[in-house]
Amino acid sequence: NAGVTQTPKFQVLKTGQSMTLQCAQDMNHEYMSWYRQDPGMGLRLIHYSVGAGITDQGEVPNGYNVSRSTTEDFPLRLLSAAPSQTSVYFCASSETGGGEKLFFGSGTQLSVL
Amino acid sequence: EDQVTQSPEALRLQEGESSSLNCSYTVSGLRGLFWYRQDPGKGPEFLFTLYSAGEEKEKERLKATLTKKESFLHITAPKPEDSATYLCAVQAHSGGYQKVTFGIGTKLQVIP
Repeated sequence: NAGVTQTPKFQVLKTGQSMTLQCAQDMNHEYMSWYRQDPGMGLRLIHYSVGAGITDQGEVPNGYNVSRSTTEDFPLRLLSAAPSQTSVYFCASSETGGGEKLFFGSGTQLSVL
Repeated sequence: EDQVTQSPEALRLQEGESSSLNCSYTVSGLRGLFWYRQDPGKGPEFLFTLYSAGEEKEKERLKATLTKKESFLHITAPKPEDSATYLCAVQAHSGGYQKVTFGIGTKLQVIP
């Protein structure tokens, strides 16, 4: 019973490098989203998807890109990493969207030097 | 702009010592208020949804209540395994279906 699986768990990047954070869910949820969590701030929505082929921007989308080719997978791409993107990233899925009954992955701790 | 303020930022309790966590919110038209639990190094875990003032939800030693301005998470006779950060979030009817505002949480430590 895997739920939401995120990889990698930890990552260190240099400024300007690109990378993809992987997220997969096995609950057949239509809604998936990416959040970042920073000290002293609440979780903030980066991008979300309401189904395969449909994505939209959240509160802090700049510097990130997403796509949703299947129901199961929702990768997050950092195009050109910046120190301001140092954060803990969480992927989440749900049946209904919004804030109710979100299933979160275990997170990716990203440091950009 | 929707706002969520949680207090206290940190709370240390003896095992068995009941207390309450507060979540004050400002939102134009509440769609739902949510409580999550987050253990260190893990993602948040859903606890409750409250929709309207006067509503209450319970789960084991936790009870969440809602008024028009705030929500309380009451912890009765806590155990060390209740130690975690508790997050509150709100969603408004307007502003987009996915617009959820999270608080920064209350870090609870229960000492044996």
